[in-house]
Amino acid sequence: AQSVAQPEDQVNVAEGNPLTVKCTYSVSGNPYLFWYVQYPNRGLQFLLKYITGDNLVKGSYGFEAEFNKSQTSFHLKKPSALVSDSALYFCAVKRTNAGKSTFGDGTTLTVKP
Amino acid sequence: DTGVSQNPRHKITKRGQNVTFRCDPISEHNRLYWYRQTLGQGPEFLTYFQNEAQLEKSRLLSDRFSAERPKGSFSTLEIQRTEQGDSAMYLCASSPTGVEQQETQYFGPGTRLLVL
Repeated sequence: AQSVAQPEDQVNVAEGNPLTVKCTYSVSGNPYLFWYVQYPNRGLQFLLKYITGDNLVKGSYGFEAEFNKSQTSFHLKKPSALVSDSALYFCAVKRTNAGKSTFGDGTTLTVKP
Repeated sequence: DTGVSQNPRHKITKRGQNVTFRCDPISEHNRLYWYRQTLGQGPEFLTYFQNEAQLEKSRLLSDRFSAERPKGSFSTLEIQRTEQGDSAMYLCASSPTGVEQQETQYFGPGTRLLVL
């Protein structure tokens, strides 16, 4: 079985401050890890993924995430938040060579000016 | 590249009726996925195709749900004898070929189903 936990339903940060959205996972074998973002009335958009290689992966809109195997975490980060980053963020995991991805329940990020 | 499209965008039906949704993936994407999303939760995997072959199906999917991808292009998801608990957003995604590229899923806008 595989699972994802996003422990915070809501994260609030001030514009210009760094942000972190947390994600922990459970999966057998080596994981593939993903972050997606959902803006109001829009579909899910891919942000970044970890497949193999460097533990720090960089993605769209200045976001990055760090894969930590010992802590089974894949936290999403951005050095300086923008109001336009306000959205719903989903972390997802899948096993290597499998089709099924398991998503967390999402974290609502609100960036205040 | 026009993105993944889904039709209809909204569907209201009465309990017991059958409904069918269509997904058109991005051209030449050989993988296609169906998910269901309810309010306050993340997308829940339903099934996955590689070309026309249905390779994985969630055990959560009852016999009332069936999906097809007959020519490896568009896909349909049918729900028979709908129940109020089927009310949700149904999402389709596709991904390209390539060892790493295939792991990036591109989502459509979804079909919102309301069963009365």
